[in-house]
Amino acid sequence: DGGITQSPKYLFRKEGQNVTLSCEQNLNHDAMYWYRQDPGQGLRLIYYSQIVNDFQKGDIAEGYSVSREKKESFPLTVTSAQKNPTAFYLCASSPGRSSTEAFFGQGTRLTVV
Amino acid sequence: DAKTTQPNSMESNEEEPVHLPCNHSTISGTDYIHWYRQLPSQGPEYVIHGLTSNVNNRMASLAIAEDRKSSTLILHRATLRDAAVYYCILRDAAGGTSYGKLTFGQGTILTVHP
Repeated sequence: DGGITQSPKYLFRKEGQNVTLSCEQNLNHDAMYWYRQDPGQGLRLIYYSQIVNDFQKGDIAEGYSVSREKKESFPLTVTSAQKNPTAFYLCASSPGRSSTEAFFGQGTRLTVV
Repeated sequence: DAKTTQPNSMESNEEEPVHLPCNHSTISGTDYIHWYRQLPSQGPEYVIHGLTSNVNNRMASLAIAEDRKSSTLILHRATLRDAAVYYCILRDAAGGTSYGKLTFGQGTILTVHP
């Protein structure tokens, strides 16, 4: 089945460690996105990429890094510089045109202890 | 980026119609209006989108004001499964600095009573 896959669903890390969240899509979409969601809040855009080997900062990029070496993959690294990394992280993809819909993964819940 | 304003919450009874409003007074002529909804602990799912004309699909209808400064998502018969957070989003198609971005606001929490 075509779709967007995030793994793992739950992730625990010790404070000070970098951690990489996986996002893979087999929809042949050009654009991919990473969001952070805190309890009772809306989605905040971290990074987005409209094409392979290119990405832009969203509204809360500090403490995060991404790469887009392949069209189907857009991993997000939460670095030790992110002061409050515990959150629900969502990845999305879309064909890229603003007239098209975006598809979301089921999310990764990261807990830093 | 053009902003949207939605009520924090709304309530409805099952099998009644629901009208979810969204204000976007700074919308540009090339912004598409998108609606998504999010169930608890899940990723958002697409509901509907439009540019100028009203749109219908199997999930909902989208009514767009003539001046495009507001829109309304219409659920014709609410069910308990429609209880979710509904987001109204503008997507820039013009190739400006916000082209390609998909930015969410706080959304409207819809509660459906049996």
